[in-house]
Amino acid sequence: DQQVKQNSPSLSVQEGRISILNCDYTNSMFDYFLWYKKYPAEGPTFLISISSIKDKNEDGRFTVFLNKSAKHLSLHIVPSQPGDSAVYFCATTRGGGAQKLVFGQGTRLTINP
Amino acid sequence: EPEVTQTPSHQVTQMGQEVILRCVPISNHLYFYWYRQILGQKVEFLVSFYNNEISEKSEIFDDQFSVERPDGSNFTLKIRSTKLEDSAMYFCASRQTGEGIQYFGAGTRLSVL
Repeated sequence: DQQVKQNSPSLSVQEGRISILNCDYTNSMFDYFLWYKKYPAEGPTFLISISSIKDKNEDGRFTVFLNKSAKHLSLHIVPSQPGDSAVYFCATTRGGGAQKLVFGQGTRLTINP
Repeated sequence: EPEVTQTPSHQVTQMGQEVILRCVPISNHLYFYWYRQILGQKVEFLVSFYNNEISEKSEIFDDQFSVERPDGSNFTLKIRSTKLEDSAMYFCASRQTGEGIQYFGAGTRLSVL
């Protein structure tokens, strides 16, 4: 099942710089997109989301961009902090009904001091 | 802050045994989910539950699996006869009606020996 792909298994960024995590999807029926952060031995924690009617949503240091024509979304973290080191999952869902989430494989982000 | 709680955090069982994984979703949420993550793989959807019945299930969720909401607070996943390949992290999630954000518990690590 390759409906949602995160092509970078890992990313290393200097503290204070921008972290950019990418996600591609194939199904144009997806209309809601989320980013989750996961620490070891914990469940995914919701970070930020965007609906398909928008192309940008910002929350503090986190901004999600959606390019529907390219079926691509990205998460920008600026400035990056050591506590941001975690695995980041993008997930998508279709509106209506029970709305199961379809996840990407995850990207391990490491912020170096 | 309300959270999804899961017990136990780690369950070890012998192949062929029955296990019950327990979850207490956030109290005013109406949709409930189980996901699992096999080590090194994606988080994958198992089943969704709404209004006391299954809304959707994946091909993984075969006759060996069942879910139940026995009272107003608990949501359980039962595996009747565990197999080695059932070893995974199992995550419970819940969400309110009208929004796409699902909130996850910390997970139960199931080890089938």
